[in-house]
Amino acid sequence: DVKVTQSSRYLVKRTGEKVFLECVQDMDHENMFWYRQDPGLGLRLIYFSYDVKMKEKGDIPEGYSVSREKKERFSLILESASTNQTSMYLCASTRATGGYFTHEKLFFGSGTQLSVL
Amino acid sequence: GQQLNQSPQSMFIQEGEDVSMNCTSSSIFNTWLWYKQDPGEGPVLLIALYKAGELTSNGRLTAQFGITRKDSFLNISASIPSDVGIYFCAGQNYGGSQGNLIFGKGTKLSVKP
Repeated sequence: DVKVTQSSRYLVKRTGEKVFLECVQDMDHENMFWYRQDPGLGLRLIYFSYDVKMKEKGDIPEGYSVSREKKERFSLILESASTNQTSMYLCASTRATGGYFTHEKLFFGSGTQLSVL
Repeated sequence: GQQLNQSPQSMFIQEGEDVSMNCTSSSIFNTWLWYKQDPGEGPVLLIALYKAGELTSNGRLTAQFGITRKDSFLNISASIPSDVGIYFCAGQNYGGSQGNLIFGKGTKLSVKP
């Protein structure tokens, strides 16, 4: 069964801490994504990556960075966590086909609920 | 940027009732997708639509790609308690620098047994 695994379901951090959210997929997918989900705002794309060591900004990249050193792993980094980064973070992956990103078969992880105090 | 208006925001229905929700946009999309998020889980793809006017079913779920390509509809017939969750629509345009998916804000469905 295909799987996207996020390392933590719940995380509590303090303001100013550096936070790492890890995501691993076992499907050999080229594309990986980080979204945040907030009530009433839906899913918003933070960063995505279409290859190892490649990254692209999404809609709300401010305050975040990412790392993709291996194909199966995509990390989201909060350099200095702030309370407005309290949210549910969802990692996703998909296979790349043709010349376009085929996002339709996005596979999501179960999410990490991050609280910044 | 592009935005999707998804409605209703939430629904409280009785088990056995039918459900309808929709997404509209001011922009044209080439693909419409519907995802469901169970409580405590990530979203899972329910239905994908690729052609204007297309009507696709998945069990008790039926979705349609609007003729104008600016809207899509999801219907659930004879709802059951496990239909509870958040339903997201998403639209995609191929081409451009990203070919990114745009998500609606979600419809939260509650079902009373």
